[in-house]
Amino acid sequence: GAGVSQSPRYKVAKRGQDVALRCDPISGHVSLFWYQQALGQGPEFLTYFQNEAQLDKSGLPSDRFFAERPEGSVSTLKIQRTQQEDSAVYLCASSLEGGLPLHFGNGTRLTVT
Amino acid sequence: GDSVTQMEGPVTLSEEAFLTINCTYTATGYPSLFWYVQYPGEGLQLLLKATKADDKGSNKGFEATYRKETTSFHLEKGSVQVSDSAVYFCAAIYNQGGKLIFGQGTELSVKP
Repeated sequence: GAGVSQSPRYKVAKRGQDVALRCDPISGHVSLFWYQQALGQGPEFLTYFQNEAQLDKSGLPSDRFFAERPEGSVSTLKIQRTQQEDSAVYLCASSLEGGLPLHFGNGTRLTVT
Repeated sequence: GDSVTQMEGPVTLSEEAFLTINCTYTATGYPSLFWYVQYPGEGLQLLLKATKADDKGSNKGFEATYRKETTSFHLEKGSVQVSDSAVYFCAAIYNQGGKLIFGQGTELSVKP
């Protein structure tokens, strides 16, 4: 595709619900990153894939957060039993072979009520 | 740990004013440095970058110089326009292929 595509654009979840956020990276991009951006803050790293391998998940805030990229293309970030503090914009970015530049999607704004 | 710190906003300027947004980074190794911009309703876009000391990145009239002695990468523009209103993020990568570390962002509002 022309750019990194994320869906849904907006998601409202009740506390305790599970959510799944999707990222379609640019075709052929090997590296894929997930970031969390709280209101008024800079993006914080969550996890990194190279193809289907999750090479770094040090930024995932709890075991309720899980990410996968089973075929090395589309990735899904899943949050179980959502809490209010999970409310944020979740950004996906991709690049060729871990290099630069990183191309960001427009993000998914998650609101937990 | 590694971190990036930038001046707090919001910054409000009149059109054609001079802009400086300060950014400093922790001096662990020799990171590559970036400025990203986020226009209202849009995703993050790379504005400019510098990969080694004394490099100057520039784009759309914006400039930033990689200063190793002061661990800084301040963003400057000589004459801002209303269309420059956005949130600006300073960021660093400390390892090849590693993760971007962002500052907290500085909101710029330019009034006509």
